[in-house]
Amino acid sequence: RKEVEQDPGPFNVPEGATVAFNCTYSNSASQSFFWYRQDCRKEPKLLMSVYSSGNEDGRFTAQLNRASQYISLLIRDSKLSDSATYLCVVNIPKDSSYKLIFGSGTRLLVRP
Amino acid sequence: EPEVTQTPSHQVTQMGQEVILRCVPISNHLYFYWYRQILGQKVEFLVSFYNNEISEKSEIFDDQFSVERPDGSNFTLKIRSTKLEDSAMYFCASSEVYSGSYEQYFGPGTRLTVT
Repeated sequence: RKEVEQDPGPFNVPEGATVAFNCTYSNSASQSFFWYRQDCRKEPKLLMSVYSSGNEDGRFTAQLNRASQYISLLIRDSKLSDSATYLCVVNIPKDSSYKLIFGSGTRLLVRP
Repeated sequence: EPEVTQTPSHQVTQMGQEVILRCVPISNHLYFYWYRQILGQKVEFLVSFYNNEISEKSEIFDDQFSVERPDGSNFTLKIRSTKLEDSAMYFCASSEVYSGSYEQYFGPGTRLTVT
C-alpha cells in the first residue's frame, strides 16, 4: 500500500465551482499533515497545514480524519489561478527525525 | 518574505562527473533538507540535516551523495559520480524547528540533466 495515496485526476472544473480532493495515508503514526500546491516544473508551495479540528483559509478548507487516515481539501469558488497539482503531504516520524512523504498529486484544471 | 534560494537553476553534466548543488536556506531556519523529483514522478525525500550532521537519509541517498554546510549560509548537495538516473529536479527545503508540526519551505529547485 502506498504511504500517501491520491486520485491523480485531472479534475476539470469551470470557474466558480467547488472541488474536493481526498487523500489517504498508511502510517497511523503520522503526526502532521499538509497540502502543498505545485505548478508545472516549479517547487512545491505550502498551501496549508491540516489540523484535527479542521481549518479554513479563505476559499480553502482542510479536514483530517485520523481514525480513517484520511485528509481532504475543499476549494470553493475556483479561480483560473487555482489550476495546479495539489500534493497531499504527511510526516513519517522515525526516532526523532522528521521527513515529508508526498503523494503523487491531484491535478486541477479550472476552465473559463 | 524570506525564501530559500538555489543555484544553479539548471545544470547539465556528463555521466560520471561530480556536481554540487547549492542552497541558501531561510536565515533563521536550523533544519535543512534535500528532495528530488524525477520528471512525471512524485517528490522524494533524500536527506535531512541539523547541527552539521545528517539526521536521516533515504535509501536513495547512497555513498554517491553527500551534504555539507560549508559556511553560515550555504547548504550543498554533492553527487560524486553522476548517473543517467540522477537526472531530476532537486529541491532544497528548510524549516524553523525539527518537528512534524512545522512547515518546510522549498527553494525553486535545480534541474539536473545527466547526459
